Amino acid sequence: KQEVTQIPAALSVPEGENLVLNCSFTDSAIYNLQWFRQDPGKGLTSLLLIQSSQREQTSGRLNASLDKSSGRSTLYIAASQPGDSATYLCNLNYGGSQGNLIFGKGTKLSVKP
Amino acid sequence: NAGVTQTPKFRVLKTGQSMTLLCAQDMNHEYMYWYRQDPGMGLRLIHYSVGEGTTAKGEVPDGYNVSRLKKQNFLLGLESAAPSQTSVYFCAGGQGLEQYFGPGTRLTVT
Repeated sequence: KQEVTQIPAALSVPEGENLVLNCSFTDSAIYNLQWFRQDPGKGLTSLLLIQSSQREQTSGRLNASLDKSSGRSTLYIAASQPGDSATYLCNLNYGGSQGNLIFGKGTKLSVKP
Repeated sequence: NAGVTQTPKFRVLKTGQSMTLLCAQDMNHEYMYWYRQDPGMGLRLIHYSVGEGTTAKGEVPDGYNVSRLKKQNFLLGLESAAPSQTSVYFCAGGQGLEQYFGPGTRLTVT
C-alpha cells in the first residue's frame, strides 16, 4: 500500500533563507506528483506538477524534484519570504487508476521577518 | 472564469439530517473529485468521477453518495449525517494529471 510522509511537520525559518521540504513515498510506481500550498482556512493552490518521466520542475523561486528510485520528492524554496508561510502538501497519483490519489499530511512553514 | 466553486461555504447539521454539497466548474475538467480534510488525517479521497455520468469510490466512501449528471457539476450527498462526518470538504477538478481545488465547505454535524 502506498504511503506518503512529509517531514518535518512544521518548520520555522528566518526571511531570506533557502529551504527544502521533503515528501517520501513507499511505492515507486507513481504517475505524477503535485505540490500544493494551503493557507489557513483556504483551499489548495497548485504549485508544481512533476510527471513520472520528469526529474524536476521550476516556477519562479520554487523547484521541485522527483527521484522515484529513492521514493522522494523535494520542494526547494529560494530566498524565502513571509508570504511563503503556509502548509505545503504533496499529492501522488499511483497504481494505474485516476482514483489512486494520496496526500501527505503536510509541512507547516513559517517564515519570520 | 470562476474555476472550481463550492456551495455552501458553511453548514451545521443535526445527526440524521441529509444534505447535498454542490461543486461546479467552468474549466471543462473531465475529472472531478471530492475530498475531506481532518486534523491529523490529512486529505482523503471520498469519491471521484472520470467523466459525465460516471462515479467511483475513493478511500473513504462510506456514508456518502455522489452524482455527475452534468459535466460541470459534481454533487456529494450525505443521506443521514453523523458527527464523524464533521470535516472540511474540498472539491477538485482536473484535465489529465493536474488538480484544481475549490475553496472548501466546512460542515459541522451536532
